[in-house]
Amino acid sequence: EPEVTQTPSHQVTQMGQEVILRCVPISNHLYFYWYRQILGQKVEFLVSFYNNEISEKSEIFDDQFSVERPDGSNFTLKIRSTKLEDSAMYFCAKLAGSSNEQFFGPGTRLTVL
Amino acid sequence: RKEVEQDPGPFNVPEGATVAFNCTYSNSASQSFFWYRQDCRKEPKLLMSVYSSGNEDGRFTAQLNRASQYISLLIRDSKLSDSATYLCVVNSEGTYKYIFGTGTRLKVLA
Repeated sequence: EPEVTQTPSHQVTQMGQEVILRCVPISNHLYFYWYRQILGQKVEFLVSFYNNEISEKSEIFDDQFSVERPDGSNFTLKIRSTKLEDSAMYFCAKLAGSSNEQFFGPGTRLTVL
Repeated sequence: RKEVEQDPGPFNVPEGATVAFNCTYSNSASQSFFWYRQDCRKEPKLLMSVYSSGNEDGRFTAQLNRASQYISLLIRDSKLSDSATYLCVVNSEGTYKYIFGTGTRLKVLA
């Protein structure tokens, strides 16, 4: 399976700032996911995105979060006004065809100060 | 009851040992089951899907017990490189939402 890539690998931001995390490049895939993992905790589902629309989202994915596929390949997660508790690893994942298997990007470590 | 539950461990085993992990799930409508491996501060990597009839991949064997709602992972002849956290992942029919367990830490000792 082709790799899923994410940028940046590490993002440091001040509380209240907006951040955009990117999953690049993605092509020929319709189903994408964002997950977060707070240090020492489990991987948590945030949102699934199918054919340029949100398919499902968790209770974590509140109005502070949004996802887009702005140019048909990049897949972004935006956090509008970051909080300290948003500090985590954020993983993008794609779904592989008919097997329902997910393949993860290397993640972006977000640190909110 | 948690949607997906795993013993966090750690399981400390000597090289060459056989070790087994279980994972229970609460939603009887769950349809797809997976084991992922996660190294410290890295992304989850697919180890194997779990099929109804059970499946094997080299030293790894996965089983599904629908009646008791659990899946298992057996690792034979443990290697030092098997040291990692093993994540149980479940999704339900009609949804593309995947639920992760907290993971089971394995340490293989020389």
